[in-house]
Amino acid sequence: RKEVEQDPGPFNVPEGATVAFNCTYSNSASQSFFWYRQDCRKEPKLLMSVYSSGNEDGRFTAQLNRASQYISLLIRDSKLSDSATYLCVVNDGYKLSFGAGTTVTVRA
Amino acid sequence: NAGVTQTPKFRILKIGQSMTLQCTQDMNHNYMYWYRQDPGMGLKLIYYSVGAGITDKGEVPNGYNVSRSTTEDFPLRLELAAPSQTSVYFCASSHGKTQTGNSNQPQHFGDGTRLSIL
Repeated sequence: RKEVEQDPGPFNVPEGATVAFNCTYSNSASQSFFWYRQDCRKEPKLLMSVYSSGNEDGRFTAQLNRASQYISLLIRDSKLSDSATYLCVVNDGYKLSFGAGTTVTVRA
Repeated sequence: NAGVTQTPKFRILKIGQSMTLQCTQDMNHNYMYWYRQDPGMGLKLIYYSVGAGITDKGEVPNGYNVSRSTTEDFPLRLELAAPSQTSVYFCASSHGKTQTGNSNQPQHFGDGTRLSIL
């Protein structure tokens, strides 16, 4: 079983739509969680950390469910510039495990 | 701050050649990492280091070597290049655990090195 699994998508949504997707992780002792964004052929960039109580950053909302071992990301009012691959990342104490990514394409 | 700097950005090697991918960071991070990313796949950890003089294997270390003689630099060495090592290589760094043991420290990535072995 992979350490971090994501629905690869792609999710094709119109501008202004809401899109949400999850990832699951296998290590119940994982300590911290992140969503990274990766544009085509570019380096991953931190989008947001994920806290136990859930957190928002503008149009982005992240949730963590430790009991079921999944993390979610919701994007409201999608913009064309949100088109990217979103990587779910889990920290088990000293290293990060990356999901393969969920591709989101926002169309005009 | 330049952040994490990788060189070269692109390279083509012949099978059996060797090369070193350079990585340096100016954020005084004690943790550094090397990943490879194949097309359509997630990042796989090759090696990591929690401080100068300390290195450990990651998920896919075979065919690679690293050293960490200074806090700033973490070069990755390919001794005998093979076609299976064609990939995009990312170096990253982060603060390690805080004094309270909090390891919730995100990683900062370099721009990547695109390596082709022919």
